[in-house]
Amino acid sequence: GIQVEQSPPDLILQEGANSTLRCNFSDSVNNLQWFHQNPWGQLINLFYIPSGTKQNGRLSATTVATERYSLLYISSSQTTDSGVYFCAVATNAGKSTFGDGTTLTVKP
Amino acid sequence: DGGITQSPKYLFRKEGQNVTLSCEQNLNHDAMYWYRQDPGQGLRLIYYSQIVNDFQKGDIAEGYSVSREKKESFPLTVTSAQKNPTAFYLCASSLPILSSGNTIYFGEGSWLTVV
Repeated sequence: GIQVEQSPPDLILQEGANSTLRCNFSDSVNNLQWFHQNPWGQLINLFYIPSGTKQNGRLSATTVATERYSLLYISSSQTTDSGVYFCAVATNAGKSTFGDGTTLTVKP
Repeated sequence: DGGITQSPKYLFRKEGQNVTLSCEQNLNHDAMYWYRQDPGQGLRLIYYSQIVNDFQKGDIAEGYSVSREKKESFPLTVTSAQKNPTAFYLCASSLPILSSGNTIYFGEGSWLTVV
């Protein structure tokens, strides 16, 4: 099946810093999503982005489908950004495969 | 409000017991999923269903069973055959899988502990 690799596995930032999270995938996909999992376990949809670039406030994402990677940018990070960020992809087989996540800690 | 409701939030099970986790959605989604998450790890797919009365095994289906008798409901039974069931279980739903633009939505999860 498709392989999804996220990097870095852990990231520690000072409040106000910027960061880039990466998701590599091993096959063509027709669906790619970024999620944020808060400390209580809730998964929040950030972006649906199988290709192109989207922005939502301090967050933006870019997927280069031909090169099989996606990037999530967080600017001016806040402590509330802490948590685990997951990338999930789906192919024509339908089911979504998740990466192992990037754990972000933003210190005040 | 539309969403996905999982219950119970916390569940303790004795070894050898079967337990059933409930998942209900009112988003009118055709596809539903169950994922397992172990501490510090990603999500692994247990079962998924694209339509009522049909479901497929995911990557770690052994020791689990599901049913899909209604569009809104996709309960997961953790059987005694599951050797290490202590984990966080997440239910999700989406529009038909093969449609472009579908987004997966998650419930708040259920914590299962074997005592």
